Amino acid sequence: NFMLTQPHSVSESPGKTVTISCTRSSGSIASNYVQWYQQRPGSSPTTVIYEDNQRPSGVPDRFSGSIDSSSNSASLTISGLKTEDEADYYCQSYDSSNWVFGGGTKLTVL
Amino acid sequence: QVQLQESGPGLVKPSETLSLTCAVSGYSISSGYYWGWIRQPPGKGLEWIGSIYHSGSTYYNPSLKSRVTISVDTSKNQFSLKLSSVTAADTAVYYCARLCSSSWYAPCYWGQGTLVTVSS
Repeated sequence: NFMLTQPHSVSESPGKTVTISCTRSSGSIASNYVQWYQQRPGSSPTTVIYEDNQRPSGVPDRFSGSIDSSSNSASLTISGLKTEDEADYYCQSYDSSNWVFGGGTKLTVL
Repeated sequence: QVQLQESGPGLVKPSETLSLTCAVSGYSISSGYYWGWIRQPPGKGLEWIGSIYHSGSTYYNPSLKSRVTISVDTSKNQFSLKLSSVTAADTAVYYCARLCSSSWYAPCYWGQGTLVTVSS
C-alpha cells in the first residue's frame, strides 16, 4: 500500500494563486488517477477535480489539477482566490482494491 | 441534478449492526454508475467503506470487508450499508456518493452525511 502526503496548511491572499501538493510514497503517481475534494467547515465534501484534471459540472475553471512524475506528486491549483475557497482539501487515489486519502490541507484565505 | 440523502439511526450500541440507507433522486440507479459509502470520524480525515455498481457488483475496503455489506434496491432507487460488530471506532459521519463516469474510485456527488455514534 502507499500513502499520500499533503502539507498540513497553506495560506494566501484573495485574488492570488495557491497550489496544494499531494506526494505519493511508493509506486508511480501516474499509475492511478488522483481526485481532490473541498470540505468547508460543517459541510460535506465536494469534488473539485477527478481523474487528475477533470472538473465535475459546476466547478469553476479557477480549480485545476495536474500530476508531476518527476516529483511523484499531484497538485491542485486554485487561481483568483476567494474567501469562500477557505476550506480543507483532500487528495485521494487508489490501488487495485482500496482508496487512499491524503491527510488534508487547511487553506486559509486572508 | 442527482441528489443523495442518507438516513438511519444516529445511535448504535457496541457489537450491534449499523444500518444506513441512501435515497437517490434526480437519477435512476439502474441507469448506471457506481455508488459508494465514505465515512469521517469527528475531527479526522476521510475513509472509503465500499462501492457498488447498479448491477450489484461490489468493492470493499479490505480493512472493513469482513464486517461490511453494501446492497442496491433499484425498485426503491436507493442503496444501503450494513456494518456489523460496531465499536466506538466506527463513530463517524457517514456519506453516500455517486461516483464519476464509470469509475469505482472517484465520487462526484455527495450526500449531506449522517452522524452515527456508537455508544451504550
